[in-house]
Amino acid sequence: DSGVTQTPKHLITATGQRVTLRCSPRSGDLSVYWYQQSLDQGLQFLIQYYNGEERAKGNILERFSAQQFPDLHSELNLSSLELGDSALYFCASSLSGRAAEKLFFGSGTQLSVL
Amino acid sequence: AQSVTQPDIHITVSEGASLELRCNYSYGATPYLFWYVQSPGQGLQLLLKYFSGDTLVQGIKGFEAEFKRSQSSFNLRKPSVHWSDAAEYFCAAVGASGNTPLVFGKGTRLSVIA
Repeated sequence: DSGVTQTPKHLITATGQRVTLRCSPRSGDLSVYWYQQSLDQGLQFLIQYYNGEERAKGNILERFSAQQFPDLHSELNLSSLELGDSALYFCASSLSGRAAEKLFFGSGTQLSVL
Repeated sequence: AQSVTQPDIHITVSEGASLELRCNYSYGATPYLFWYVQSPGQGLQLLLKYFSGDTLVQGIKGFEAEFKRSQSSFNLRKPSVHWSDAAEYFCAAVGASGNTPLVFGKGTRLSVIA
């Protein structure tokens, strides 16, 4: 058990809908990362937060947004969903967000857009 | 652009045989290098990491990796594979400056046969 909790584990929804994925980082970790894993693209970095502030942004679509709350949990909001958004979304956390740090991954949220 | 390449999509080895998974990186300067493993239905777990110094690094579960600057490679090895090693293996890199996110290769799926 990595200590990172993601909910829900599975999500099935329709095109055009909006969903929210939730992540609770490991106790004491200040940095949260979101990754999207798909068969064709592999693991793609979406966004990183550190202590409530956005620190780095990757290939995140404008339809997607995220935030990190004062209690350090994070939410990833996906809107106007398309079939191609179907993927496994991972959250990871680390202590301070430095490059050399080990990331602790949650078990992911499997999103299916029908 | 910074990238990590894992040339082998799928490898099958016999239990007890040796294993080598290949990883090449393309970065301006030597990045920090990592190997993660993803078991079915699980998040990613760090096996080992290389920052500097000894080019042969030891990790968990009996894995090791060798950094070769001349070949821009960081190959993962195990002398004797166990059936429980069947999983997806990801090589990853991050610039030492810490200004860019962790970049993953597309992964190599390892199957172990009796």
